[in-house]
Amino acid sequence: QKEVEQDPGPLSVPEGAIVSLNCTYSNSAFQYFMWYRQYSRKGPELLMYTYSSGNKEDGRFTAQVDKSSKYISLFIRDSQPSDSATYLCAMSPAYNTDKLIFGTGTRLQVFP
Amino acid sequence: DAGVTQSPTHLIKTRGQHVTLRCSPISGHKSVSWYQQVLGQGPQFIFQYYEKEERGRGNFPDRFSARQFPNYSSELNVNALLLGDSALYLCASSLDRSTDTQYFGPGTRLTVL
Repeated sequence: QKEVEQDPGPLSVPEGAIVSLNCTYSNSAFQYFMWYRQYSRKGPELLMYTYSSGNKEDGRFTAQVDKSSKYISLFIRDSQPSDSATYLCAMSPAYNTDKLIFGTGTRLQVFP
Repeated sequence: DAGVTQSPTHLIKTRGQHVTLRCSPISGHKSVSWYQQVLGQGPQFIFQYYEKEERGRGNFPDRFSARQFPNYSSELNVNALLLGDSALYLCASSLDRSTDTQYFGPGTRLTVL
């Protein structure tokens, strides 16, 4: 079993839709949780960062962490075609933030 | 400010050859990490260097090695290339070891024939 599981998609939604992206994990030591966006043939770009359980909002993006269920989510409101990319969840334990463990990524396509 | 830069952008090698990939971190960042991203997968951690010393290593064979220079730039070396080494190699920099934010470069796409 992988430490981090992420539905690879692809996920195809119309412009303006609310998108929900999810990851589950097995290591209870994970304390830092991140979402990266990766456009085709580019490096990952940090979108959201959260520590432990709770919600964090930044513009159209909301990240949620539920440590009791070992489940994290990223919500995108009013999705735009420019949001079309692969979204990677990543996490690390508090004692080793240098090594990020990534999910496989979910490919999102937002069509006009 | 410039972000993380990597060179070359693309590289084609044949099995058994050696390759060197280069990374320049964001100005002021002292920590550099390397990741391998195979097509359709998430990045996998290879190495982390801080203050020119190896601070972490992932599950990669000894054919993979790296170093960090006094100006905090870094090189990743891979010997005896295998077809399975074909991937996007990503470099990430962070301010120091304990920071939780890593910023990634555009990557070097390595193809092994």
